[in-house]
Amino acid sequence: GESVGLHLPTLSVQEGDNSIINCAYSNSASDYFIWYKQESGKGPQFIIDIRSNMDKRQGQRVTVLLNKTVKHLSLQIAATQPGDSAVYFCAETPPGGYNKLIFGAGTRLAVHP
Amino acid sequence: GAGVSQTPSNKVTEKGKYVELRCDPISGHTALYWYRQSLGQGPEFLIYFQGTGAADDSGLPNDRFFAVRPEGSVSTLKIQRTERGDSAVYLCASSLGENTGELFFGEGSRLTVL
Repeated sequence: GESVGLHLPTLSVQEGDNSIINCAYSNSASDYFIWYKQESGKGPQFIIDIRSNMDKRQGQRVTVLLNKTVKHLSLQIAATQPGDSAVYFCAETPPGGYNKLIFGAGTRLAVHP
Repeated sequence: GAGVSQTPSNKVTEKGKYVELRCDPISGHTALYWYRQSLGQGPEFLIYFQGTGAADDSGLPNDRFFAVRPEGSVSTLKIQRTERGDSAVYLCASSLGENTGELFFGEGSRLTVL
């Protein structure tokens, strides 16, 4: 079937390298942020979240950084693997609206052996 | 299966026809969401249910779109008088409770309106 994100910005990395995917969010009042991964033909998959009272949060092989001053979010993936190849979306929630995610446009991550 | 199930996976219809898309959430998940994703874009919020009631339907684009969840489990998204601009992947998700960004998405129903 068709791939999600045929015209998205693409980040190409070598297997084993670290990846950094960036996201600029729109609402300075947003206080909860989430990263999702979407493989071709599948629904988005939750990776990690962070609330605005934190500036860093770590998971397994992933780290999310939040800079509220410049409304910037990043996802760092350590030792990138071929299975990490996908489209990555950041999402924000409006204040008090945690059940309504506002997704960004996405970045395609291509991992080369 | 253990995941969110959506049917049909693919639906091709003609302009002006009526369409129903079904979502079966993860058992025990009280919150259910519908999103729409156009090619090359992120998912766009449509509606959110907590139990049987629509807690937030602010994302429904117009009154041709309607969704129900009569028993607090399965949900149906209904689109009347379909238009070519309705073509997209319709994603359903569920979560264990409210106020979480950890949604479990299905694989989506791809709607094509000719």
